[in-house]
Amino acid sequence: DGGITQSPKYLFRKEGQNVTLSCEQNLNHDAMYWYRQDPGQGLRLIYYSQIVNDFQKGDIAEGYSVSREKKESFPLTVTSAQKNPTAFYLCASSIQASGHYEQYFGPGTRLTVT
Amino acid sequence: AQSVTQLDSQVPVFEEAPVELRCNYSSSVSVYLFWYVQYPNQGLQLLLKYLSGSTLVKGINGFEAEFNKSQTSFHLRKPSVHISDTAEYFCAVSDAGAMDSNYQLIWGAGTKLIIKP
Repeated sequence: DGGITQSPKYLFRKEGQNVTLSCEQNLNHDAMYWYRQDPGQGLRLIYYSQIVNDFQKGDIAEGYSVSREKKESFPLTVTSAQKNPTAFYLCASSIQASGHYEQYFGPGTRLTVT
Repeated sequence: AQSVTQLDSQVPVFEEAPVELRCNYSSSVSVYLFWYVQYPNQGLQLLLKYLSGSTLVKGINGFEAEFNKSQTSFHLRKPSVHISDTAEYFCAVSDAGAMDSNYQLIWGAGTKLIIKP
């Protein structure tokens, strides 16, 4: 089955540690995205990538880093510089069809930092 | 710049009653419009989308939405809700005129649909 996988589903870390969230897709999509979701705030874009080896900052990139070495993979690192990292993180991918990009989402990773 | 406003953060409704979730957008260009659903602790799933043509769009799970250009709205409706419709619903918009740059979606803050038995 084609889709987007995010692992793990739940992640716990101590404050001051970097943590990497995995996102893999087998949909052959060019574009990939990382969103952060907090209660009552909707989805906020962290980073996005249109092609391999290229990515752009979204609205809240500070304290995060990404890489796009393969089309299928777009891992997100939450660094110790992120002041409030506890959140639900969603990865998405999209491909252009009929002039628009329709985003497909993974199941999410809930990160708790204490 | 584009923006999306979902006017209600929560909508409680009795089971088998009709529901409308409101979405208004602001844009100086033509837009594509989307509604996504998020069940608890899951990712988002596309419910329906408006690209062009008929302003009444039908989606999955019995939902439909109507694009109203003059009112810049794209309200989501269902004639009879079920307990399984309990979820958060997100409205989103993208630029229809710029095919090279409409890979981003502008998101509303979401509306939680609460079904009362």
